[in-house]
Amino acid sequence: QSALTQPASVSGSPGQSITISCTGTSSDVGGYKYVSWYQQHPGKAPKLLIYDVSSRPSGVSNRFSGSKSGSTASLTISGLQAEDEADYHCSSYTTSSTHVVFGGGTRLTVL
Amino acid sequence: QVQLVESGGGVVQPGRSLRLSCAASGFTFSNYGLHWVRQAPGKGLDWVAVIWYGGTNKYYADSVKGRFTISRDNSKNTLYLQMNSLRAEDTAVYFCARDTAGVRGVEYYFDYWGQGTLVTVSS
Repeated sequence: QSALTQPASVSGSPGQSITISCTGTSSDVGGYKYVSWYQQHPGKAPKLLIYDVSSRPSGVSNRFSGSKSGSTASLTISGLQAEDEADYHCSSYTTSSTHVVFGGGTRLTVL
Repeated sequence: QVQLVESGGGVVQPGRSLRLSCAASGFTFSNYGLHWVRQAPGKGLDWVAVIWYGGTNKYYADSVKGRFTISRDNSKNTLYLQMNSLRAEDTAVYFCARDTAGVRGVEYYFDYWGQGTLVTVSS
């Protein structure tokens, strides 16, 4: 069981917007701004999309945005494209000895 | 360009050992912290261990503490993971990943990843 809770799957049509949630506790998501999101296509390595809750690394499309409210972080993808079909993982700093925890991942299907 | 290439995975019996390597290129290896992150088949990501850029600070997930050892050779631009007393639940693809912090330490953000190497623990 993952420390952070994500929905197993979400779906949307091309051009639409979707939001993926990531729920933790005050010891991780709720207590710090150190939340990140990764995109992973099947059989590939993850790619950093968002860090510090809402910052994007250079080269990442502005269709990807992050936010946080309380102990729930969210990733929003606007203007869905077929290439966005992938797994999305959230991560957060944690006060536990593990230092960082991940969610279980969310499979995005573009209909 | 930054490249991380893992090797050393395979099938191993429970209780045995395995050493993974991660060869790096395209950046100043000694200036970055490095992590091992694993992914069991069909599951999410699971952080394993980190080593700071100088190699002095190392931290482990509770699930591998005392069994796994992370190390690096800055002269060879290579990261290692020595895995002892392997268990079935260690079966996963193991990724090496670069931390974003550079010489500031570690931020637990991973900006470059290798393609992974599969470790299967089975009798």
